Amino acid sequence: EPEVTQTPSHQVTQMGQEVILRCVPISNHLYFYWYRQILGQKVEFLVSFYNNEISEKSEIFDDQFSVERPDGSNFTLKIRSTKLEDSAMYFCASSDRPLAGGNNEQFFGPGTRLTVL
Amino acid sequence: AQKVTQAQTEISVVEKEDVTLDCVYETRDTTYYLFWYKQPPSGELVFLIRRNSFDEQNEISGRYSWNFQKSTSSFNFTITASQVVDSAVYFCALSEAPLYRPAIQGAQKLVFGQGTRLTINP
Repeated sequence: EPEVTQTPSHQVTQMGQEVILRCVPISNHLYFYWYRQILGQKVEFLVSFYNNEISEKSEIFDDQFSVERPDGSNFTLKIRSTKLEDSAMYFCASSDRPLAGGNNEQFFGPGTRLTVL
Repeated sequence: AQKVTQAQTEISVVEKEDVTLDCVYETRDTTYYLFWYKQPPSGELVFLIRRNSFDEQNEISGRYSWNFQKSTSSFNFTITASQVVDSAVYFCALSEAPLYRPAIQGAQKLVFGQGTRLTINP
């Protein structure tokens, strides 16, 4: 069964360093998302991406964040200069064209745990 | 604005008991979708169910059942005859389906509740 994959599973970095979190969405999906979950808290939407551009972004997704689909398979989240409060689990998700009812299930990857020291 | 409230932070029951997880939502849209996800200790998000706002029929899947009531804006989740393997954090989520945005209709963010940590004791 196709699945979303994410690498690395755990990333440790120093404050101020740049990190790139990588995701391989399901191959025929068209919509891509990043979510964040600070330890013990709820899952929060960061950004959605469609047709090679950002569809929507949250207040969390400030200038330090960027997303890219550098080729036909990868979808990346870059944090330019990490802060301590960026420590969280980052989930990538992808979805297909919406069904006639207007929605489409998002399939989540296993997450990347980012630790900023 | 969209909001999902899971008032129960933690629930602990003994195995084989039935347990209901509450979810209350707020949205201005008339078309929306509701979801439940399970997050086991391993951390991944496991999709359990999606329900659209036009379908108020209750759903049962094995030991799981869901009660959707638009009148009270609730989408509650019941596990019958709970098992230790049901121990996890459960998230309720809402996604609006803004039909007036056809170009990005498929890119619909999920708004999650705070989650309920369910512990099933043997």
